[in-house]
Amino acid sequence: EPEVTQTPSHQVTQMGQEVILRCVPISNHLYFYWYRQILGQKVEFLVSFYNNEISEKSEIFDDQFSVERPDGSNFTLKIRSTKLEDSAMYFCASKGTGPYNEQFFGPGTRLTVL
Amino acid sequence: SQQGEEDPQALSIQEGENATMNCSYKTSINNLQWYRQNSGRGLVHLILIRSNEREKHSGRLRVTLDTSKKSSSLLITASRAADTASYFCATDWGPDKLIFGTGTRLQVFP
Repeated sequence: EPEVTQTPSHQVTQMGQEVILRCVPISNHLYFYWYRQILGQKVEFLVSFYNNEISEKSEIFDDQFSVERPDGSNFTLKIRSTKLEDSAMYFCASKGTGPYNEQFFGPGTRLTVL
Repeated sequence: SQQGEEDPQALSIQEGENATMNCSYKTSINNLQWYRQNSGRGLVHLILIRSNEREKHSGRLRVTLDTSKKSSSLLITASRAADTASYFCATDWGPDKLIFGTGTRLQVFP
């Protein structure tokens, strides 16, 4: 069964450093998403991406964040200058076409900012 | 904001018992989805119920949706220790994002 994959599974970085989280969505999906979950809290929407552009973003997704689909398979989330409060689990998700298709989530990348 | 809230926050049961989790939301939806998350792991999609559906089954899972009360329930029948996880409801907010609830932590004791 096709699945969303994410790398790395765990990323440790120093505050102020740039990180890139990578995702490979399900191959025939067209909608891509990033969510995050701070430890012990709910899953929060960050950004959605369709047709090579951001379709919606949350307040969390400020200028320090960016997303890119550099080729036909990868979808990346970049945090330019990490802060301590960026420590969280980051989930990538993808969705097919149609109004009711469910979003399929990857296993997540645990980001730890020291 | 369209925020899902689950109750109870935590639920402990014995294997073989049924577990019921509830979710409430605030605004109209197109569909509602339930996800499971094992500790520290990713989200696994369980079931999607459309706004024009009232009940849906998938194996040992039964989901109901009451749009007049803006609520949904997830019933897991004949629970197993492997069902131990957090369960989240998620409502769609337009075509683009899901709004997750606070989750119910289910503990099933063998």
